[in-house]
Amino acid sequence: ETGVTQTPRHLVMGMTNKKSLKCEQHLGHNAMYWYKQSAKKPLELMFVYSLEERVENNSVPSRFSPECPNSSHLFLHLHTLQPEDSALYLCASSPDGATNEKLFFGSGTQLSVL
Amino acid sequence: DAKTTQPPSMDCAEGRAANLPCNHSTISGNEYVYWYRQIHSQGPQYIIHGLKNNETNEMASLIITEDRKSSTLILPHATLRDTAVYYCIVRVERGATNKLIFGTGTLLAVQP
Repeated sequence: ETGVTQTPRHLVMGMTNKKSLKCEQHLGHNAMYWYKQSAKKPLELMFVYSLEERVENNSVPSRFSPECPNSSHLFLHLHTLQPEDSALYLCASSPDGATNEKLFFGSGTQLSVL
Repeated sequence: DAKTTQPPSMDCAEGRAANLPCNHSTISGNEYVYWYRQIHSQGPQYIIHGLKNNETNEMASLIITEDRKSSTLILPHATLRDTAVYYCIVRVERGATNKLIFGTGTLLAVQP
């Protein structure tokens, strides 16, 4: 148990659906992250939030929309996804988002887009 | 950006030490070396990090060469539960945000 909980663990959706991934951390951290891990590819950093403000957006398509309502919760809203968006989506948190902090990861949401 | 090179896979016998190498020849003077591992179907887990001195914690030891161009992660007594992908990462220094950039890592298979 890392203190970072992601739901759902598995999600299957059609290309016209709208769904949301949820992440919650119980560590009192101020920074949260979304990573994408496609099959046999390295983890890709998608978004970084620090104190509920987005500080990083790594050229992610607009069909992925993050939301950070408070420092404990992070969402990734999905709409009109493509089959190539099928991947493991990982959430992480760290104390302040500063360099050299450890990241604490959740177990991820395995997303399949049909 | 400092990049790392790791062997794609390694085997280790249960109970023996696992030594995982990493090359980071372009590392800058103030960049740390991090190690994480990812067990199948889980998120990555922090193991250890260091700058230039050797480091040890309850999970592993990190040996960094004097020129800092390479390092070795040592799991002193590998168990089957240590089977995972091990990532060696050098922090990318761009701005003040924490940006750990993961490579493809080394798949360590601990054999009974």
